[in-house]
Amino acid sequence: DTGVSQDPRHKITKRGQNVTFRCDPISEHNRLYWYRQTLGQGPEFLTYFQNEAQLEKSRLLSDRFSAERPKGSFSTLEIQRTEQGDSAMYLCASSLYRARQETQYFGPGTRLLVL
Amino acid sequence: AQSVAQPEDQVNVAEGNPLTVKCTYSVSGNPYLFWYVQYPNRGLQFLLKYITGDNLVKGSYGFEAEFNKSQTSFHLKKPSALVSDSALYFCAVRDVAFNAGNMLTFGGGTRLMVKP
Repeated sequence: DTGVSQDPRHKITKRGQNVTFRCDPISEHNRLYWYRQTLGQGPEFLTYFQNEAQLEKSRLLSDRFSAERPKGSFSTLEIQRTEQGDSAMYLCASSLYRARQETQYFGPGTRLLVL
Repeated sequence: AQSVAQPEDQVNVAEGNPLTVKCTYSVSGNPYLFWYVQYPNRGLQFLLKYITGDNLVKGSYGFEAEFNKSQTSFHLKKPSALVSDSALYFCAVRDVAFNAGNMLTFGGGTRLMVKP
């Protein structure tokens, strides 16, 4: 049973650089979510996809953030011109959505540190 | 708007004693409620959920939670705590009202410390 995987697990970058994270969901899960978690806080929703369509974006998702799920399988989250405030754990979750019911299963996260 | 409150930053309990981690929620429609556990430097692991039906929900590792609509609560419980239960616990809600969106809203988390 393969769970949600994320790559890389850790990323250190300098302010102003671009970074990209990848998420591979559980096979056959049609929904994929991105959340951000800062130290001592609960995860906050960023965006989600149903198959390849991006259906919802949080106001937290500034113009510097972009997410894709081109073939309805893996997804990427890119942050352009990183800022120190972007330092956080980025969590991906996937689910099989049926009849308005779903359980989101989370990956191990990518921890980003912007220097 | 939906929200979740976990009023205790930390809960301390002795091994073998019962534990309760509190959660209250606010939604405009009906709630779907979830508990997740997070170990250090790890993602969130699903424990249990309430969708409909029996107010007492049983989940993984001996945990259970009771949905109380009148008190808008969904407290996590376990009859006998283990040291290995020590972790960060998150309550989450999804409002199933028509225009509420599909995201989970999480509480701030409660750190459970079980002492031998």
